[in-house]
Amino acid sequence: DIVLTQSPALAVSLGQRATISCRASESVRSSMHWYQQKSGQQPKLLIYGASNLASGVPARFSGSGSGTDFTFTIDPVEADDIATYYCQQSRNDYTFGAGTKLELK
Amino acid sequence: EVQLVESGGGLVQPGRSLKLSCAASGFTFSNYYMAWVRQAPKKGLEWVATISTSGSRTYYPDSVKGRFTISRDNAKSSLYLQMNSLKSEDTATYYCARHEGYGGYSGFDYWGQGVMVTVSS
Repeated sequence: DIVLTQSPALAVSLGQRATISCRASESVRSSMHWYQQKSGQQPKLLIYGASNLASGVPARFSGSGSGTDFTFTIDPVEADDIATYYCQQSRNDYTFGAGTKLELK
Repeated sequence: EVQLVESGGGLVQPGRSLKLSCAASGFTFSNYYMAWVRQAPKKGLEWVATISTSGSRTYYPDSVKGRFTISRDNAKSSLYLQMNSLKSEDTATYYCARHEGYGGYSGFDYWGQGVMVTVSS
């Protein structure tokens, strides 16, 4: 199984940039996707194919990377962005990272 | 508007069975692969099953293979998950989700609101 490693939490100030990383245990090429999950809600797709913005998602969100190292960025962070963010690979079955909880500093 | 509405959850004893349903609307159901993803309380997301557009191909992780069966009825725009030999570790919120194809570069673009399954005696 491909294991995805994310840092558990990130504290950021409103208006600043938040950068979340996801490292895969083996190459997933560009088969990496990012989701936002707010408390008590279902996940929402933000980025697919490593760097493509999903429909209706603000341009403040972006993704980059390929192979084993990926980055998800929110710039600038707004109050509504407080949530847990998950990476997911679809190169070999589907696995999710453990999630990064974005908190306000 | 794309809508996915799960149902069928509840409390079930270990070793028993339960069948979840997901009613889809707002899109051509038969054109999309569908998946089930679960989330244990206070935990992360775990992919549980995927089914092809026609239903002829199904995919599972080892954690549920042989116990869970995903199926679909395109005429009814409905997705199902038959869960047998349930264990306490199957306790989770179960989401149905839409995606394009198996693998590749697309994510799960729409999710239902989820249904809770509790396995306990």
